[in-house]
Amino acid sequence: GDSVTQMEGPVTLSEEAFLTINCTYTATGYPSLFWYVQYPGEGLQLLLKATKADDKGSNKGFEATYRKETTSFHLEKGSVQVSDSAVYFCALSDRGAQKLVFGQGTRLTINP
Amino acid sequence: GAVVSQHPSWVICKSGTSVKIECRSLDFQATTMFWYRQFPKQSLMLMATSNEGSKATYEQGVEKDKFLINHASLTLSTLTVTSAHPEDSSFYICSANLPGGLEAFFGQGTRLTVV
Repeated sequence: GDSVTQMEGPVTLSEEAFLTINCTYTATGYPSLFWYVQYPGEGLQLLLKATKADDKGSNKGFEATYRKETTSFHLEKGSVQVSDSAVYFCALSDRGAQKLVFGQGTRLTINP
Repeated sequence: GAVVSQHPSWVICKSGTSVKIECRSLDFQATTMFWYRQFPKQSLMLMATSNEGSKATYEQGVEKDKFLINHASLTLSTLTVTSAHPEDSSFYICSANLPGGLEAFFGQGTRLTVV
């Protein structure tokens, strides 16, 4: 079945550092790929998405590119802020389906 | 964006009792809602797909008789954990999409503790 493997955390960085959280997937079809974020005390919310190969999703300074050849969707940000501290989930959905398969989540802490 | 509200946010119950968790789409109609479970330091695992007006679709390994799902209206799905045991203690989260939409909107989650 489909699966998502995500970089293990926790990850701790200093403010303004460069961030990469790795995500790779296995899917039989052509999935849509997502990054969801869960801030402390809140529910999950969509951070960015990409629906086909070579698409780049971006939001709030975060970016991720759908790489079909490496089955990856790594999350990057050039300069993180304390407010980016949260748990980040990589996820996929098979084409035509709305249910999600999640990676294990990566807890990110940014220190001032 | 669309809002999904989940209630309660936390609940403690005794072993052997049943607990109901509600998931509401506040500003849109959802023919389908999804229920996930999250174990500590682990990922969210899909338990079942809740279908308005019909039976829920359960993922492999999820006990239908233990986790009863009812989707009686276009804005409400309920998950009832029956005869709860300590191993049912977990974080339960629901989600729904706008019709035809890719983005899932999540409830705040419910922390269930069975003592």
